[in-house]
Amino acid sequence: EAGVTQFPSHSVIEKGQTVTLRCDPISGHDNLYWYRRVMGKEIKFLLHFVKESKQDESGMPNNRFLAERTGGTYSTLKVQPAELEDSGVYFCASSQADSYEQYFGPGTRLTVT
Amino acid sequence: AQSVTQLGSHVSVSEGALVLLRCNYSSSVPPYLFWYVQYPNQGLQLLLKYTSAATLVKGINGFEAEFKKSETSFHLTKPSAHMSDAAEYFCAVSESGAGSYQLTFGKGTKLSVIP
Repeated sequence: EAGVTQFPSHSVIEKGQTVTLRCDPISGHDNLYWYRRVMGKEIKFLLHFVKESKQDESGMPNNRFLAERTGGTYSTLKVQPAELEDSGVYFCASSQADSYEQYFGPGTRLTVT
Repeated sequence: AQSVTQLGSHVSVSEGALVLLRCNYSSSVPPYLFWYVQYPNQGLQLLLKYTSAATLVKGINGFEAEFKKSETSFHLTKPSAHMSDAAEYFCAVSESGAGSYQLTFGKGTKLSVIP
């Protein structure tokens, strides 16, 4: 069974540009989470999808971040326009319905210069 | 609100020595507790979890953790460190009974194993 995959693994962009991160959860997992780790800080929750619906987006830092999960399969996280403080590692995780056990992807390292 | 404190951002142990990584949590409801490990250039892997069953939880690779409610702790231990245990370890808490099992993480502890 394939695990959670994320693309790209690394992205370097300039301040003001747009970047889109993609996450493919484990097949059949209804729950999809996005987390972020800024250098030197803890991993922080961004938002949670149940199928295609946003269950909880309380962790989204501001309106420059837009997450979608069309069709309840893969998800994208767009940052537009990117700022320096957006640099970090973005993790995606998925879990089965009503399960607390989350499976994480390898992360996307975003560097904004 | 939940929070997790991991004491020590870096821990070094000799190969064969006891590994002890400390984690204290706060939660307003009975928690679910987790330890994740991240090896270099890899994603987070679940080591073990506590979900209100046995307080002593055994995980993969010989690790175990004990839930102590009175101390609000969930320390991770391994009797004998191996070189392959060198990684970053994260303690996390989730609220039981919530609609979203979002995780609140500690800052992580990097474990170095000295030959």
